[in-house]
Amino acid sequence: EVVLTQSPGTLSLSPGERATLTCRASQSVSSPYLTWYQQKPGQAPRLLIYGASSRATGIPDRFSGSGSGTDFTLTISRLEPEDFAVYFCQQYGDSPTTFGQGTKVEIK
Amino acid sequence: QVQLVQSGAEVKKPGSSLKVSCRASGGTFSSSAISWVRQAPGQGLEWMGVIIPIFSTSKYAQKLQGRLTLSTDESTNTAYLELSSLRSEDSAVYYCARDKGYYDSSGNLSPGGYYYGMDVWGQGTTVTVSS
Repeated sequence: EVVLTQSPGTLSLSPGERATLTCRASQSVSSPYLTWYQQKPGQAPRLLIYGASSRATGIPDRFSGSGSGTDFTLTISRLEPEDFAVYFCQQYGDSPTTFGQGTKVEIK
Repeated sequence: QVQLVQSGAEVKKPGSSLKVSCRASGGTFSSSAISWVRQAPGQGLEWMGVIIPIFSTSKYAQKLQGRLTLSTDESTNTAYLELSSLRSEDSAVYYCARDKGYYDSSGNLSPGGYYYGMDVWGQGTTVTVSS
């Protein structure tokens, strides 16, 4: 199965700063099959990005996704207080679908 | 706007079975797949399986084969997860999610298409397995 490794494990930033999160796959993943989720404590995950770069309904444009092959990036252009959370990537280019271990974005 | 409402928390003994429900409110999921994902305390997300109601087909994570059964009742817009022979490592929060993938009748994601992700999630059901 495809192993997704997210880095860094924790990102300490201040509101207004730019966040760059990376998801690296153990083998090439077709871009249409790479998604990103946000999860806050005690809540279910929320779909942010599908197809590596398309924002889900209602997701602010400060969130953007990019990448191809084995390297994908989620960028939050200017962190808002509500963006401090854990972010997971998911691939479904190869079965079974797998998730990364998550990156926690915390307030510095 | 469809919402997924899950059944309440469960405490189970090792070796027993679990059944969690996931009811679609404000719509139906008959045209969508339903995936089940679990999250052990402080851990990441683990995909358990997917059920595609229009094909009456399910696909399971290999490690759960033989213990996991997914089903749906379209008359009540409810999906079910049944997990048998519970172990302590099955303690987790269990989520159902509407899965916007295009699946074939074998439960595989159709090649050459697009995966739109899991866009609606239930609130989660906490399951504790302890003697």
